Amino acid sequence: SQQGEEDPQALSIQEGENATMNCSYKTSINNLQWYRQNSGRGLVHLILIRSNEREKHSGRLRVTLDTSKKSSSLLITASRAADTASYFCATDMGYSTLTFGKGTMLLVSP
Amino acid sequence: KAGVTQTPRYLIKTRGQQVTLSCSPISGHRSVSWYQQTPGQGLQFLFEYFSETQRNKGNFPGRFSGRQFSNSRSEMNVSTLELGDSALYLCASSLEGAQGSPLHFGNGTRLTVT
Repeated sequence: SQQGEEDPQALSIQEGENATMNCSYKTSINNLQWYRQNSGRGLVHLILIRSNEREKHSGRLRVTLDTSKKSSSLLITASRAADTASYFCATDMGYSTLTFGKGTMLLVSP
Repeated sequence: KAGVTQTPRYLIKTRGQQVTLSCSPISGHRSVSWYQQTPGQGLQFLFEYFSETQRNKGNFPGRFSGRQFSNSRSEMNVSTLELGDSALYLCASSLEGAQGSPLHFGNGTRLTVT
């Protein structure tokens, strides 16, 4: 079953704009991870945020976590065409067991 | 370091047949996990192996099985294939599978069952 649900399901923006994706989950977590998947390929780990963290940055990525609302958001600033991909949040159950959301498809047009 | 390698990249099988997929983890990684990705169900965890032992298993029928070898390479097997088994099967590795460890994914094996 899906733990996380991303919103929106699809997002289309122009290069240079910011993209925000949201994720909600159902149970208590120790950490939440975000992954990117280019069409038909494997997932790439982007960033991990622990339950005692509220915000984390990595390059053009900013992740927030609100454990009281069981939600997280991923912000990509100054988007590029190369950011076109699907983005997934995942809750970590240990033993490499991640429960993924359905993902947000991001299209960045030049 | 070489990434996670999955073979074959594509497979076409007929209902009722069985299939074996292979995964070579990143050198030094001892945890290997498998995921199934379909348009309808999304990404779902199949199982995880560490030091040749299955530590966790997802909610899949017994037709799905796997194993890990002493060099950490892993295989998964699906017997008596059904049309619904058509999916992208992803393998991921991490050092020890500890909570909070990022997973490194291969590019997957695309299985089509006809």
